[in-house]
Amino acid sequence: EAAVTQSPRNKVAVTGGKVTLSCNQTNNHNNMYWYRQDTGHGLRLIHYSYGAGSTEKGDIPDGYKASRPSQENFSLILELATPSQTSVYFCASGTPETLYFGSGTRLTVL
Amino acid sequence: GDSVTQTEGLVTLTEGLPVMLNCTYQSTYSPFLFWYVQHLNEAPKLLLKSFTDNKRPEHQGFHATLHKSSSSFHLQKSSAQLSDSALYYCALSAASGSWQLIFGSGTQLTVMP
Repeated sequence: EAAVTQSPRNKVAVTGGKVTLSCNQTNNHNNMYWYRQDTGHGLRLIHYSYGAGSTEKGDIPDGYKASRPSQENFSLILELATPSQTSVYFCASGTPETLYFGSGTRLTVL
Repeated sequence: GDSVTQTEGLVTLTEGLPVMLNCTYQSTYSPFLFWYVQHLNEAPKLLLKSFTDNKRPEHQGFHATLHKSSSSFHLQKSSAQLSDSALYYCALSAASGSWQLIFGSGTQLTVMP
């Protein structure tokens, strides 16, 4: 089974601070994705990547940046965190036919 | 643009009763449809996906039929189990160039003894 690892599992940040969420996959998938999960909204796509060096905007990219330095790693960056970015963030890799999700990062912005 | 609608946010039923979770979609293209399941404090996982040849996908007692005429892909199970309690997402991917997976808002299923 595909392995996707996220870190940290939990994060508390202050408003205006910088937050970096990390994701690593060991299955050589070209595509990687960042979603946020909120009650009533489901899973919404923030950024995605087709491979090392590429990042694409998803449906809700405002306030987020992404970085794909290698096939294995895909980071989500909040340069100036706001309380509205409090959420659970999921990284995924795979194809649109089958996505493999990490265990999620619970981010609280105070 | 493409979208997925799950009208029920919360479904509660008694063990042994049939389950049906609704999913409708809008897409310019002929999409593939999926159901993902997320148990408490776990990651979402693929439950089943539509086929191009109109076969009915089944997994763990769940099945779903893609009806293009009504743009629906409802999830069904004949007899609910306590372990079926989870958050269920319907999703679609369309051949629109980016091959993104678009999720509905999710349905929380709670099965009571």
